[in-house]
Amino acid sequence: DAKTTQPNSMESNEEEPVHLPCNHSTISGTDYIHWYRQLPSQGPEYVIHGLTSNVNNRMASLAIAEDRKSSTLILHRATLRDAAVYYCILSRGGSNYKLTFGKGTLLTVNP
Amino acid sequence: GAVVSQHPSWVICKSGTSVKIECRSLDFQATTMFWYRQFPKQSLMLMATSNEGSKATYEQGVEKDKFLINHASLTLSTLTVTSAHPEDSSFYICSARGELVVEESSYNEQFFGPGTRLTVL
Repeated sequence: DAKTTQPNSMESNEEEPVHLPCNHSTISGTDYIHWYRQLPSQGPEYVIHGLTSNVNNRMASLAIAEDRKSSTLILHRATLRDAAVYYCILSRGGSNYKLTFGKGTLLTVNP
Repeated sequence: GAVVSQHPSWVICKSGTSVKIECRSLDFQATTMFWYRQFPKQSLMLMATSNEGSKATYEQGVEKDKFLINHASLTLSTLTVTSAHPEDSSFYICSARGELVVEESSYNEQFFGPGTRLTVL
């Protein structure tokens, strides 16, 4: 599976936007970009995913670079409940669908 | 999104005993479920892929005779840690592939359970 690179940690203030970057320079044409987050002592939670176009949902936005070698997860207004480890994961579609988790980015949200 | 439950949420057992963890998809059918393990301050490590009605596929380095996986129905997979030892103490998390509908388009995504904290004394 293609690898992703994320900063180990980031800090944000409450009610401010947060941009979480992810580099995936070896992404292949069939790889989807997934974002999950994990709160302490909980299972991961699906956030968003995309292939080529930017995506928006109620939780976040996903901005994908034109060459697809990087992407950014955008939380429009961070809250204290958004403090978590955020994982950027590439996965091929179809039946061989495994998620390989890296170390992710620990997001701290300051009140 | 789809809901996945795990039972128990935590368990403490003596060394040498076996522990069974259940993973259920509550509002959807899952032909494929996954089992992960997470040690403190580390990321999730995939242990095995479980397909309904067939044998599980284990990742390299995971002992299939120690971690028994059964996926007898489309809503239930179980992980049994046999002859547990203190080094098996970990956070065990399951996930299930389910359908996610976004603006009238359908995708298959993985939905995760809340995890089971296993402590072996």
